[in-house]
Amino acid sequence: QSALTQPASVSGSPGQSVTISCTGTSSTVADYIYFSWYQQHPGKAPKVMIYDVNKRPSGVSNRFSGSKSGNTASLTISGLQAEDEADYYCCSYGGSSSYVVFGGGTHLTVL
Amino acid sequence: QVQVVESGGGVVQPGGSLRLSCAASGFTFSNYGMHWVRQAPGKGLEWVAFLRYDGTNEFYLDSVKGRFTVSRDNSKNILYLQMNSLRLEDTAVYSCAKEHSGYYYFDSWGQGTLVIVST
Repeated sequence: QSALTQPASVSGSPGQSVTISCTGTSSTVADYIYFSWYQQHPGKAPKVMIYDVNKRPSGVSNRFSGSKSGNTASLTISGLQAEDEADYYCCSYGGSSSYVVFGGGTHLTVL
Repeated sequence: QVQVVESGGGVVQPGGSLRLSCAASGFTFSNYGMHWVRQAPGKGLEWVAFLRYDGTNEFYLDSVKGRFTVSRDNSKNILYLQMNSLRLEDTAVYSCAKEHSGYYYFDSWGQGTLVIVST
C-alpha cells in the first residue's frame, strides 16, 4: 500500500480548473521537498510536470502548478484541455517507507 | 536526444530469474543516477530500485530486497536489473528512468519491458 494517497479519479470540463491531492504521513509529504508529479497517457511513458513541489520543467505548460501544505501536496491544472485527460502520479523521495514512493495515481477525465 | 531502451523481459515461472537491461544514449550515462520503476497491468507506478551514477549506493523497494540487484556498466552505458526468486506479483512492465542532475525527479523514461511471472 502506497504511503501517498491520491483520489482515484477527478473530472472537470474544458476551461475549468481541477486539483489533485496527494496525502501522506508526516514523514513523507511534510518533511520532504523533493516532490514531483507525472502525467501518463495510455501506453506512454510518464512525463514530469512538476518537480521540487512547485517547479515546472521547461516545455511544460504554465497551466500546471504545484503546492504543498502540511501533509498534502497538490497539483492544479487550470484551463483544462482535452489532452490533459491522463493518469497523474505524485512522487516523493525519502520518507520512512521507501527511498522513493509513488502515489496510487489519479485518473483525470475531461468531460 | 536522450534515450533509454529496456530489454530482457519475458515469461518466467515462479522462482525463476531474469536479467533486464537498459541501454542509454544521448547523455553522459556515467554522470547520472538511474532508477527502475515497474507498473503492473492496469495498476499504478511502483518504484523498484536506484543506483548512484558511480555504482556506489543502491536502494530497493522492501519487497524486492534480497531478490533483485541493480548494477551498471558505465563503459557500455547499460543499467541492469537482476531479478531472482521471481513471484507472481512481480509481473509488470519494468522501465528505467534517468534522474535529473542535481534534482530529485525522473526526466527521461523508457517504454519498458514486460515481465510475466506465471505457472
